[in-house]
Amino acid sequence: DTEVTQTPKHLVMGMTNKKSLKCEQHMGHRAMYWYKQKAKKPPELMFVYSYEKLSINESVPSRFSPECPNSSLLNLHLHALQPEDSALYLCASSRGLAGVIPPQETQYFGPGTRLLVL
Amino acid sequence: DAKTTQPNSMESNEEEPVHLPCNHSTISGTDYIHWYRQLPSQGPEYVIHGLTSNVNNRMASLAIAEDRKSSTLILHRATLRDAAVYYCILAGGTSYGKLTFGQGTILTVHP
Repeated sequence: DTEVTQTPKHLVMGMTNKKSLKCEQHMGHRAMYWYKQKAKKPPELMFVYSYEKLSINESVPSRFSPECPNSSLLNLHLHALQPEDSALYLCASSRGLAGVIPPQETQYFGPGTRLLVL
Repeated sequence: DAKTTQPNSMESNEEEPVHLPCNHSTISGTDYIHWYRQLPSQGPEYVIHGLTSNVNNRMASLAIAEDRKSSTLILHRATLRDAAVYYCILAGGTSYGKLTFGQGTILTVHP
């Protein structure tokens, strides 16, 4: 099973709402990622988790709060977002078994959550 | 991060081979060359990767120039399902899992 699942598929929220995106994998991977993709643009890395610890934060605003409660689950908590945060949010995972993610490692992506902020 | 340059778009006919080029003139010795593709309304999908030698898998082949400053992804017989954005990405020893996507090449396959 090489599947990464993301819920919900679509989300509409107001600027004062609090919502969460969920990502799950059961491949035994220990590295998980959040990417953001604006329309007609390439994905941009937001966060990397390795062994449930945050290892990379690409200077993402604090209104995005990641959480990795266990090795299979990755959440992205959203609060006080702006309309320009509307995008496709992609989750990915990779083996990451050495603790340090090697450069040849393959990432497996989920289908994404399409977020619209009104 | 070393940068890659790809053509914005390419076209192919179904069942013909497709050669997707990528230039990476500032590649370092520890940089792996990865190719991912993104079909419409889907997340990116791994295609192939290599370091120095040419690589083959069930999806594609990767031809790497001897000086490693360029590479070519080869789809041997394009199908309509291969229509996607193809990304060439370098990942080196200090990437720590970070994939930096460029603009990619939009591949259109004609029946």
